[in-house]
Amino acid sequence: NAGVTQTPKFRVLKTGQSMTLLCAQDMNHEYMYWYRQDPGMGLRLIHYSVGEGTTAKGEVPDGYNVSRLKKQNFLLGLESAAPSQTSVYFCASSFFGTFYEQYFGPGTRLTVT
Amino acid sequence: ELKVEQNPLFLSMQEGKNYTIYCNYSTTSDRLYWYRQDPGKSLESLFVLLSNGAVKQEGRLMASLDTKARLSTLHITAAVHDLSATYFCAPRPETSGSRLTFGEGTQLTVNP
Repeated sequence: NAGVTQTPKFRVLKTGQSMTLLCAQDMNHEYMYWYRQDPGMGLRLIHYSVGEGTTAKGEVPDGYNVSRLKKQNFLLGLESAAPSQTSVYFCASSFFGTFYEQYFGPGTRLTVT
Repeated sequence: ELKVEQNPLFLSMQEGKNYTIYCNYSTTSDRLYWYRQDPGKSLESLFVLLSNGAVKQEGRLMASLDTKARLSTLHITAAVHDLSATYFCAPRPETSGSRLTFGEGTQLTVNP
């Protein structure tokens, strides 16, 4: 099992450009999450999904959109990137069988210039 | 909204010493998770604490949960250099479903 994978690992964008980050999990987990990690701020939840076809806003959703068309994939989109979105993005998944313990992907380092 | 406070945020200690990291949170939570993150890496699950009074131990690390005091501790016994990492606690607010709220993290450096 690959667990949780993220594509790409690194990306540099110019202000105003758009991109999509892909998260995939092969553990058949119901729940998936997107976080951003900034120095000194821990992890902040951007959006999450409780199942295929569902999405919900987290703590810092502005400037991001998500889609969960297939159970194993959770996409995070930036429509018009801003320097404030420079961060490390982590995807995670969980299911009730392990008490909602979250399993994390390797992260995507995004720089917006 | 649940607030999480970890302290200390930075901890430098010598090998062989003991220390405790504290995780306080502001509202009712029924379970709490501890994660470890090495520099430039992802987060790795350490402990899942499911009820009041829960205690889990793995090697030199021991975690406990007191839901009445809204406090979890991560105790380090006889630290070794390999424990150098950032440690996050993440309580689950009772009404949040599967979502967690992460603390800022405690950056631990163990010096030889």
